[in-house]
Amino acid sequence: KQEVTQIPAALSVPEGENLVLNCSFTDSAIYNLQWFRQDPGKGLTSLLLIQSSQREQTSGRLNASLDKSSGRSTLYIAASQPGDSATYLCAAGANNLFFGTGTRLTVIP
Amino acid sequence: DAGVIQSPRHEVTEMGQEVTLRCKPISGHNSLFWYRQTMMRGLELLIYFNNNVPIDDSGMPEDRFSAKMPNASFSTLKIQPSEPRDSAVYFCASNPGGTRTDTQYFGPGTRLTVL
Repeated sequence: KQEVTQIPAALSVPEGENLVLNCSFTDSAIYNLQWFRQDPGKGLTSLLLIQSSQREQTSGRLNASLDKSSGRSTLYIAASQPGDSATYLCAAGANNLFFGTGTRLTVIP
Repeated sequence: DAGVIQSPRHEVTEMGQEVTLRCKPISGHNSLFWYRQTMMRGLELLIYFNNNVPIDDSGMPEDRFSAKMPNASFSTLKIQPSEPRDSAVYFCASNPGGTRTDTQYFGPGTRLTVL
C-alpha cells in the first residue's frame, strides 16, 4: 500500500520568507502527485496536480516539483503571506489518492 | 456553481444511534468519493462511486457503514450503530469522472462526534 509522508508536521515562518514543504511516497508507480490546501474547519482545495510524466507545475507563487525515481515532491511557496497559513497536504495518485497527514504552515505577520 | 454540498455540518450523537450523512456533488460530475479524516490516520478513502455505482468500497471499515447513491445528485453515508471511534470529519468529494485520481473537489465536511 502506498505510504505518503510529510515532514515537518508544522512550520512557522515570518512573512515574506520563501519556504519549501516536503512530501515523500513509497511506491513510484503513480499517475500524478497532487497538493491541496486545507483551512481550519474547511474542506480541501486543490492547488497543483503534476502528472507522472511531468517534473513540475507552477501557479502564481506556488511551484511543485516531482521526482518519481526518488519518491519525492516539494511545494515551494515564494514570498509567503499570512493568508498562506493553512495545512498543506500532498496526495499520490495511483488507483486511488493516498494522502499524507499534512504540514501545518503559520506565516507570522 | 455551489460546489459540493454536505449536510449536516456538525452532528453529535450517542453511541448506538444511527447517523446519516448527506452529499450533493457538483452537477455534471460522474465520480463521488467519501473520505474520513482523523488525527491518527489522516484522510482515508471509504468508498468511490462512478455513474452512481459503487466501484471500490474496500475502505469501508465494517458492516456498520453503508453508502448509497440513488441518483447523480445525491449520496448518503450511514453508520448504524455508531460508536465513539467513528468520531471524525467525513468529507465528500466529486470529480468529472475521467479517472479517480483526477482533481477532486471537496465539500466542507461533516464533523461527527459520537458520545
